[in-house]
Amino acid sequence: QAQLQESGPGLVKPSDTLSLTCAVSGYSISSSNYWGWIRQPPGKGLEWIGYIYYSGSTYYNPSLKSRVTMSVDTSKNQFSLKLSSVTAVDTAVYYCARKGSGYPIFDYWGQGTLVTVSS
Amino acid sequence: EIVLTQSPGTLSLSPGERATLSCRASQSVSSSYLAWYQQKPGQAPRLLIYGASSRATGIPDRFSGSGSGTDFTLTISGLEPEDFAVYYCQQYGSSPPMYTFGQGTKLEIK
Repeated sequence: QAQLQESGPGLVKPSDTLSLTCAVSGYSISSSNYWGWIRQPPGKGLEWIGYIYYSGSTYYNPSLKSRVTMSVDTSKNQFSLKLSSVTAVDTAVYYCARKGSGYPIFDYWGQGTLVTVSS
Repeated sequence: EIVLTQSPGTLSLSPGERATLSCRASQSVSSSYLAWYQQKPGQAPRLLIYGASSRATGIPDRFSGSGSGTDFTLTISGLEPEDFAVYYCQQYGSSPPMYTFGQGTKLEIK
């Protein structure tokens, strides 16, 4: 059973780059799954940011594509998110999640980490 | 981009009652690509239903999903105290890959 844990700064300054890492345990990141990021502004709904395959293949939400970079480190069994040029609207709880096999769903989630964009 | 609209925004019911939550898509969605999640305060979403009607592992049979095309429904029969939460529907579009969520329905205790 996969367990996911996000880590990274909880406070980022406007115009800086937000960087988060998701450590996966109990499951090999090199198995046939995509690994994704989803965010949720305080009190609001969910927004898919994108996902990455262990080989490095990526798909991003078109609305964020110009600012998003995802990477994977199979040796550490983890994957990462970078979001550049952040503003206050990027303040959110960021979740990492595993895309399920066979269906376009997210079946395992991290607990989430709140990232606040503020000077 | 397909927009999902959930209704009602808030549903007030008592334990033991039946809850019916709606998710309407702005254009037709493949049933295979429609899922439901439950989210409790301070927690990550939890997958309930995938493929419009299949329950995820460990999900009680009081949860059921149905629908096709643009109209999908999540039904919870015999509400338990732990079922009061926010529910989201989610759809997948394949060209290019894109996931969108509804705005959520809050199920609260009456």
